[in-house]
Amino acid sequence: AQKVTQAQTEISVVEKEDVTLDCVYETRDTTYYLFWYKQPPSGELVFLIRRNSFDEQNEISGRYSWNFQKSTSSFNFTITASQVVDSAVYFCALAGSSNTGKLIFGQGTTLQVKP
Amino acid sequence: GAGVSQSPSNKVTEKGKDVELRCDPISGHTALYWYRQSLGQGLEFLIYFQGNSAPDKSGLPSDRFSAERTGGSVSTLTIQRTQQEDSAVYLCASSLESSGLKAQYFGPGTRLLVL
Repeated sequence: AQKVTQAQTEISVVEKEDVTLDCVYETRDTTYYLFWYKQPPSGELVFLIRRNSFDEQNEISGRYSWNFQKSTSSFNFTITASQVVDSAVYFCALAGSSNTGKLIFGQGTTLQVKP
Repeated sequence: GAGVSQSPSNKVTEKGKDVELRCDPISGHTALYWYRQSLGQGLEFLIYFQGNSAPDKSGLPSDRFSAERTGGSVSTLTIQRTQQEDSAVYLCASSLESSGLKAQYFGPGTRLLVL
């Protein structure tokens, strides 16, 4: 079975704080893909990043960074110097190679960044 | 270029009526997915289309749900004899291929309310 767990339901920070969103996954596939999506109040899911299971290099994109650790089955997302515009629901998702690419989503983490 | 579009944006219907939801994927994307987002269940996969292959219907919750994709492009999700528990946001996504190598890009969704 495949599963994604985002244990943090809601996080509230003050602007300029750093914040890490946790994601833990389960899969028996040796090849799989991990994703993060952002869902702002407008409702549309916005793609942020995709990583495959063979690439454990951390990635940085501006204020965003991702830490992928196969040993702990985690794919955590850090926002540095958070801004009010970062307020959204963030979803971690998994696509196993045996699953025709369909995404298995975590329950999402609601991030509120206060000014 | 144009993203995934969905219509209608909102749909209010009475219990027992049939509804049709439409999705126009990104041009050139061969894979198309339907998901449902509801408060109690989070984001759930419904059905997937890839080219001329048989669709993966494993996520459809009941036989009241069906979908088709005509000409490898536009897709229609049909819910027959709607029930109140069908109330949710129905999201369509498309990608260049289905293996997970490419990201799925989501449309704005159709918000369905069954009275």
